[in-house]
Amino acid sequence: DTEVTQTPKHLVMGMTNKKSLKCEQHMGHRAMYWYKQKAKKPPELMFVYSYEKLSINESVPSRFSPECPNSSLLNLHLHALQPEDSALYLCASSRIGRGPRGGNTIYFGEGSWLTVV
Amino acid sequence: DAKTTQPNSMESNEEEPVHLPCNHSTISGTDYIHWYRQLPSQGPEYVIHGLTSNVNNRMASLAIAEDRKSSTLILHRATLRDAAVYYCILRAIMNYGGSQGNLIFGKGTKLSVKP
Repeated sequence: DTEVTQTPKHLVMGMTNKKSLKCEQHMGHRAMYWYKQKAKKPPELMFVYSYEKLSINESVPSRFSPECPNSSLLNLHLHALQPEDSALYLCASSRIGRGPRGGNTIYFGEGSWLTVV
Repeated sequence: DAKTTQPNSMESNEEEPVHLPCNHSTISGTDYIHWYRQLPSQGPEYVIHGLTSNVNNRMASLAIAEDRKSSTLILHRATLRDAAVYYCILRAIMNYGGSQGNLIFGKGTKLSVKP
């Protein structure tokens, strides 16, 4: 079972709506991520937070607004989305720095399926 | 980030070993080789990682070529539950906050397991 919890599992929203996706982890990880995955495609990195600060924004449109209110929570605020933004949104977390044998495992949630109508 | 090349798909029979290849000819000295898999309707999950030596864990084994330009993920006895997309990813563990060290997915190999 994943230790990264995402809510809601499914979301349908109109193009004028404002909604949020939420992610929570209690593993003490200080790096958190948002990925977007379209059908039959690999996940694409959107944002990275390190120590609750945004460190990476992979040129994501401003209609996606991430927020990291504390070390356990990560939100993705959605506003004025387009139908092509419909996808699976994956949250992930990891420790910062080297782990055992130099590795650094990233733990993913099960994702939030977003449909924009 | 250095690129990896994997076959688009592979088939296996249940209870038989599976060897999933990955080419990474431009790998750098600081790149670790990671494997993740994604079962249908789930988020990706970590499988194994290594740097130079072969590695074993409860899920799989990772065989790394001596020149590190290729690697093979080995599932010793495939089960139906192993049907997934397997991603081979190079990841440099360096200072966090930069683009290096992040998990960048390639296209992966879709593994089908026949009963």
